[in-house]
Amino acid sequence: QKEVEQNSGPLSVPEGAIASLNCTYSDRGSQSFFWYRQYSGKSPELIMSIYSNGDKEDGRFTAQLNKASQYVSLLIRDSQPSDSATYLCAVGGDYKLSFGAGTTVTVRA
Amino acid sequence: DAGITQSPRYKITETGRQVTLMCHQTWSHSYMFWYRQDLGHGLRLIYYSAAADITDKGEVSDGYVVSRSKTENFPLTLESATRSQTSVYFCASSPTSVNYNEQFFGPGTRLTVL
Repeated sequence: QKEVEQNSGPLSVPEGAIASLNCTYSDRGSQSFFWYRQYSGKSPELIMSIYSNGDKEDGRFTAQLNKASQYVSLLIRDSQPSDSATYLCAVGGDYKLSFGAGTTVTVRA
Repeated sequence: DAGITQSPRYKITETGRQVTLMCHQTWSHSYMFWYRQDLGHGLRLIYYSAAADITDKGEVSDGYVVSRSKTENFPLTLESATRSQTSVYFCASSPTSVNYNEQFFGPGTRLTVL
């Protein structure tokens, strides 16, 4: 059973601050890593994918991957109220993904 | 333009009834997946399909049946619904590339079994 663990949250950050989300995974053979955002009552939406060690930036989002430590993170810079959602970490080694339970982020004005 | 759609969006049924949830995608993605999402359990894989007529079980497949006669459709059937199958069901699809296996989700079906 591939395990994906996320910090439990909820995470409350002030508007404009950086939100930092963490995820660890158990399968060293994992090759692909994703962050999904899920608003309440909606479906998961892919926001970041990362496949190699290092950082990947897309707008206000930065994903960081460290395969040696089996760790992937997501930074949300200049957090906005619209970033309030649950963030799911997903890890894949073949065609299937394993998901973490999610971290709920609340951005307070 | 629709991408991936699910129907119905909401369903209430009774214990013991057969229920079929529909999933349709317009991207011609080879891989399709069914998940259920419950509080405290996150997303759990029910079934997946690599192509038409190729399906395989996920971690929580008991009580569910799938078929895939066409690439674009992947219906999920609850043969005899139980209360424990009350959940939100998501269908997802993925392009054919082992190195780039992003999954894209449909809007979900909220199923209540009374």
